[in-house]
Amino acid sequence: ETGVTQSPTHLIKTRGQQVTLRCSSQSGHNTVSWYQQALGQGPQFIFQYYREEENGRGNFPPRFSGLQFPNYSSELNVNALELDDSALYLCASSSLAGGLRTDTQYFGPGTRLTVL
Amino acid sequence: QKEVEQNSGPLSVPEGAIASLNCTYSDRVSQSFFWYRQYSGKSPELIMSIYSNGDKEDGRFTAQLNKASQYVSLLIRDSQPSDSATYLCAVNSAAGNKLTFGGGTRVLVKP
Repeated sequence: ETGVTQSPTHLIKTRGQQVTLRCSSQSGHNTVSWYQQALGQGPQFIFQYYREEENGRGNFPPRFSGLQFPNYSSELNVNALELDDSALYLCASSSLAGGLRTDTQYFGPGTRLTVL
Repeated sequence: QKEVEQNSGPLSVPEGAIASLNCTYSDRVSQSFFWYRQYSGKSPELIMSIYSNGDKEDGRFTAQLNKASQYVSLLIRDSQPSDSATYLCAVNSAAGNKLTFGGGTRVLVKP
């Protein structure tokens, strides 16, 4: 158990709908990263949030957006869902700090999104 | 060329043998390297992190890093059926804000 929680566990949506996924980071961690993992592939980086601001973004369109709250929890929002958005969405928490290397990311259990 | 490459497997090893997994990466400025284990339907679980050239041992696992050759490897000694999983190699960006994963190597340990 990493202490990272995600909700919901599973979700079924139809094409064109919008979805919000939630993540609570591990105690003491101030950074949340989101990844998309399609079946049979490695996770793909979506974006990272640090101090409530986006701190890096992967090759995903603007309909993927996020938020981080003062308690370091985070949301991933996806608008205009497409069939290819069906995947396991993973949240990882870590702690960014100058000097000491604290960049290890710990993953939550994931949210399985199915788009029909 | 993919940024992080792994043999997809499956790598089949008998119980008690050593499983050897390899990973190559393209970004020479990468400083942090990780191995995660992922069981089917579950999320990645951290096994090892390595930052310096050479070997790092943790129980039955040994990670090896060679920055000059841009490869990372993972050895699993005394393999057990419970080690059957997909092993993901991940490389952190120089800014420390993005993990790039390989496609994973599926390992099957046969009793």
